[in-house]
Amino acid sequence: DAKTTQPTSMDCAEGRAANLPCNHSTISGNEYVYWYRQIHSQGPQYIIHGLKNNETNEMASLIITEDRKSSTLILPHATLRDTAVYYCIVRVAVLTGGGNKLTFGTGTQLKVEL
Amino acid sequence: DAGVIQSPRHEVTEMGQEVTLRCKPISGHDYLFWYRQTMMRGLELLIYFNNNVPIDDSGMPEDRFSAKMPNASFSTLKIQPSEPRDSAVYFCASSPSETKNIQYFGAGTRLSVL
Repeated sequence: DAKTTQPTSMDCAEGRAANLPCNHSTISGNEYVYWYRQIHSQGPQYIIHGLKNNETNEMASLIITEDRKSSTLILPHATLRDTAVYYCIVRVAVLTGGGNKLTFGTGTQLKVEL
Repeated sequence: DAGVIQSPRHEVTEMGQEVTLRCKPISGHDYLFWYRQTMMRGLELLIYFNNNVPIDDSGMPEDRFSAKMPNASFSTLKIQPSEPRDSAVYFCASSPSETKNIQYFGAGTRLSVL
């Protein structure tokens, strides 16, 4: 799996957009970018994933650069409840067989403040 | 659906005792994962099952750890004998085969071995 690099921590004002970057310069053509987050004392929560097109759902938007070597998770209007560790994971989406091992790195601690 | 259900939420035991952690995956999900999270090592995959069959147990730390999935709605992770270094939060997650890498996590079991 491609290795990812994320900043250790970031701060964001409540109501503002939170833009969390992730570098994955060794990503392969068949690897997707997945984002999870973990709020303190809870289990990780899936947010969004994408291959090469930008994606949006009710939680966030995912912007992947054209060369796919980096991506940005955008929380459009961050709230205090978005304070969490955000993990960027690169993984093939194999539909058959095994190989479902997600590797969680250290992630980015996002702190949303008033 | 109630989500992935883990029990107990907290477990305190003495060194040498047997510990059994339990997990009920989301109905219809055919993948089940056990993770361990510590401050030092982060979130680590211990073992995962597909259709009740263990696929990869390479993350299981040693023979004191064992996991079973007797049916599609129940799994256990057992530690015997337990040691203080086993103190951690243990998470169970499940996913459907058609959306691999999108895993749904339980709330975790916080284990303290004294």
